[in-house]
Amino acid sequence: SQQGEEDPQALSIQEGENATMNCSYKTSINNLQWYRQNSGRGLVHLILIRSNEREKHSGRLRVTLDTSKKSSSLLITASRAADTASYFCATGDDYKLSFGAGTTVTVRA
Amino acid sequence: DADVTQTPRNRITKTGKRIMLECSQTKGHDRMYWYRQDPGLGLRLIYYSFDVKDINKGEISDGYSVSRQAQAKFSLSLESAIPNQTALYFCATSDAPGAGLGDEQFFGPGTRLTVL
Repeated sequence: SQQGEEDPQALSIQEGENATMNCSYKTSINNLQWYRQNSGRGLVHLILIRSNEREKHSGRLRVTLDTSKKSSSLLITASRAADTASYFCATGDDYKLSFGAGTTVTVRA
Repeated sequence: DADVTQTPRNRITKTGKRIMLECSQTKGHDRMYWYRQDPGLGLRLIYYSFDVKDINKGEISDGYSVSRQAQAKFSLSLESAIPNQTALYFCATSDAPGAGLGDEQFFGPGTRLTVL
């Protein structure tokens, strides 16, 4: 079974707008990671947040983690057409990652 | 050159055939993983290996087997392919984590397998 569940399943925004997607998970974690996948290609790591962290930034990305609610959010600011992709959260334990089903983001020009 | 490579990139085969998917990496990582991706289901872990002598089942290992021939090579086999094994297959690698924390994984480009 999958640990993480992303919401929404799909998101369509105008270029320049912000995109926010959420991830909920079920069991305790060591870290939570976000990955991007461009159509049918391999996943690319975006950002990792550890269980003792609450917020992390990387360029136009902002990730939050609320371990009490078992949830995380990924914010992409000032979106670009190149941000069109599927975004997956993955929860990490000592040994492996468990991925959610992903949020498909479409950025319209 | 890509750090994680997979061969073949596309494969069409028939029910009952034996298929091997290969993964090679030049990152020097100890840990390697095989996932399958189906539409709407995200990635599911098939097998993972922490070193040449270590093989572990993931959540969907039935119908699959693996071989870790060297630190850099990890192969996935379908002994007798069936249509519901049609999927996108990814290999990934990661470095050994510090302090028991899972680290980021690096993915290959994927193999699109179709079983008729």
